Amino acid sequence: DTGVSQDPRHKITKRGQNVTFRCDPISEHNRLYWYRQTLGQGPEFLTYFQNEAQLEKSRLLSDRFSAERPKGSFSTLEIQRTEQGDSAMYLCASRRGGGSTEAFFGQGTRLTVV
Amino acid sequence: DQQVKQNSPSLSVQEGRISILNCDYTNSMFDYFLWYKKYPAEGPTFLISISSIKDKNEDGRFTVFLNKSAKHLSLHIVPSQPGDSAVYFCAASARSGGAQKLVFGQGTRLTINP
Repeated sequence: DTGVSQDPRHKITKRGQNVTFRCDPISEHNRLYWYRQTLGQGPEFLTYFQNEAQLEKSRLLSDRFSAERPKGSFSTLEIQRTEQGDSAMYLCASRRGGGSTEAFFGQGTRLTVV
Repeated sequence: DQQVKQNSPSLSVQEGRISILNCDYTNSMFDYFLWYKKYPAEGPTFLISISSIKDKNEDGRFTVFLNKSAKHLSLHIVPSQPGDSAVYFCAASARSGGAQKLVFGQGTRLTINP
C-alpha cells in the first residue's frame, strides 16, 4: 500500500500527558499537511510543510503543539500537556508540488483525552 | 467565519436516483474546488475536483458543477448506489502561492436507500 500512513490509529491519554503522532506521506509527495477534525465539522488546517520546512501554521496550533518533518520524509505532531479540548481526529495529507492540488489523506489518529 | 458552507447536514436518496450535494463559498480568492468522501473512522478520500476556469467536470457517475458568479458548486451522483452512503465534504483552495491549504465545509451525510 503506497498511501498516506498514520500511526497510531487510536490514542487514549490522560489530561496533562504528552502525545506524539506520526505520518508517512506518499513517497514522491513533497507537500505535507496536518488537519484536525472534530465531531460534526470538516477538517481544519493546522500546519504545512514543503519538504522539511514548516512554512505555515494555523492560529489553531497553540504553543503546546509542535510539528516536525526531518529530512522531508515522515512527519510528527506532538501535543504537550494535553487538554480535553484536544480530543479530535488528527489527519495527515500529502500532495505533489507544482500544479497538482489534490491532497491525499491518511486514515487519521483518533485522540481521546480523559 | 465559515468560508465554505454546506447547508444540508444530511440527504436521503433512493438507490438509482440522482444525488445532488451543494456547497457555497465566500472567498473570491478560491480557484480550485474539490469533493471528498468520508466513511466513519477513515480519512477523507478524494473524489473529483474542478478549476475555476471550468464550469463542469465529469468522472464516471460523478459530476461537479461550478457557478462562479453565485459562488456555488454542486456534486451530482447518478445513479446513486448504496456504497455511496457516506459523509461528503466540499473543499476549496487558493492556488496562487502559499500553502494551498484546503478549507472544508461542514459535510453532508448522504444516505442511499435501497
